[in-house]
Amino acid sequence: AQKITQTQPGMFVQEKEAVTLDCTYDTSDQSYGLFWYKQPSSGEMIFLIYQGSYDEQNATEGRYSLNFQKARKSANLVISASQLGDSAMYFCAMREIGYGGSQGNLIFGKGTKLSVKP
Amino acid sequence: GAVVSQHPSRVICKSGTSVKIECRSLDFQATTMFWYRQFPKQSLMLMATSNEGSKATYEQGVEKDKFLINHASLTLSTLTVTSAHPEDSSFYICSATPGQGRPEAFFGQGTRLTVV
Repeated sequence: AQKITQTQPGMFVQEKEAVTLDCTYDTSDQSYGLFWYKQPSSGEMIFLIYQGSYDEQNATEGRYSLNFQKARKSANLVISASQLGDSAMYFCAMREIGYGGSQGNLIFGKGTKLSVKP
Repeated sequence: GAVVSQHPSRVICKSGTSVKIECRSLDFQATTMFWYRQFPKQSLMLMATSNEGSKATYEQGVEKDKFLINHASLTLSTLTVTSAHPEDSSFYICSATPGQGRPEAFFGQGTRLTVV
């Protein structure tokens, strides 16, 4: 069975500094996708970044980068130059990618609450 | 990015009544949509997979007669909470994936249900 583990319930970071949010996963699937979502207090889920299991390079999207270490089954999110608006819950998630590209539901970690200090 | 719209964003209803929540994919077709439930300070838990033109697939422990799902078109799935009780109060959120090589799932805005 698939499982996502986020061991940091809460994190603090100073504005303009970088922060790493940890995520480890467990799966027996060979083809899968890893995702990070941001959930502000309003509740919406905002897609941040994606890493495919066969992607050799780490994904980057603006200030977000995903440190993908396949052998260690980790997919940490790095946020550079933190901003006050980055304060939110962050969820790591994964989904199986089946034959023909079919995709299952997302499995979520418990989340990390990030607080950016001015 | 792709847009998923969920309505209403907030609803308060009396115990024993039913509430319908709509989830629409606005700029893509979705043969599959997912419904999640989130309790305060917790993660998202999958309730059911909504399949266009066929019955939904419910996760273990989710009452299919209480949480009715209808996916009548490629752009609309509805979740109806029947005979709601206070313990059904929660945050409900749907998601859909555009496919076509795009792996990410897009979420609706979520619905905060309060049963009084």
